[in-house]
Amino acid sequence: ETGVTQSPTHLIKTRGQQVTLRCSSQSGHNTVSWYQQALGQGPQFIFQYYREEENGRGNFPPRFSGLQFPNYSSELNVNALELDDSALYLCASSPPGGGYEQYFGPGTRLTVT
Amino acid sequence: EDQVTQSPEALRLQEGESSSLNCSYTVSGLRGLFWYRQDPGKGPEFLFTLYSAGEEKEKERLKATLTKKESFLHITAPKPEDSATYLCAVQAAQGAQKLVFGQGTRLTINP
Repeated sequence: ETGVTQSPTHLIKTRGQQVTLRCSSQSGHNTVSWYQQALGQGPQFIFQYYREEENGRGNFPPRFSGLQFPNYSSELNVNALELDDSALYLCASSPPGGGYEQYFGPGTRLTVT
Repeated sequence: EDQVTQSPEALRLQEGESSSLNCSYTVSGLRGLFWYRQDPGKGPEFLFTLYSAGEEKEKERLKATLTKKESFLHITAPKPEDSATYLCAVQAAQGAQKLVFGQGTRLTINP
């Protein structure tokens, strides 16, 4: 069974640019959540997707947007990058049928200069 | 607003020295409390889910317990490979299935 995978592993961008991060959910999982983790902090919820619809959003501005595809994979897009967007971006997937555990991928380390 | 506070922020133990990590929480109706382990530069690894006060779960040297206001992660006779950051998170019964995390406890086990 393949776990959650994310790409790329590392990314360096310049302030004002746009970035797309990708996530493949664990086999059979239909819910995907995205989190931002600053150094030394716990992960912060960005948003969640279920059946290709946004199913909840945290306190992040509209320049953070996402998509979920029919195969349950997902993208996180961030426009107009700011220095404070530098963080580890984590994707997590959850199984159907009421299981509430979320299983995380390895993350994408984004550095904005 | 749902909130999670973990203590201590950092803990150093000798190999074999048992201890406990604390997670205090406030949530508007608890769906579940989750413990994760995170190694540097990696994603969190799921350990336990606790759903109701009085529940306990065990895995190897780790045991998690839950009350109405806090959870404890007890580590018995730890080994150096148990060194990691331990994260606690809650999920509210209503709304999106988001996890609200604490800042974590950084555990170091010295040989």
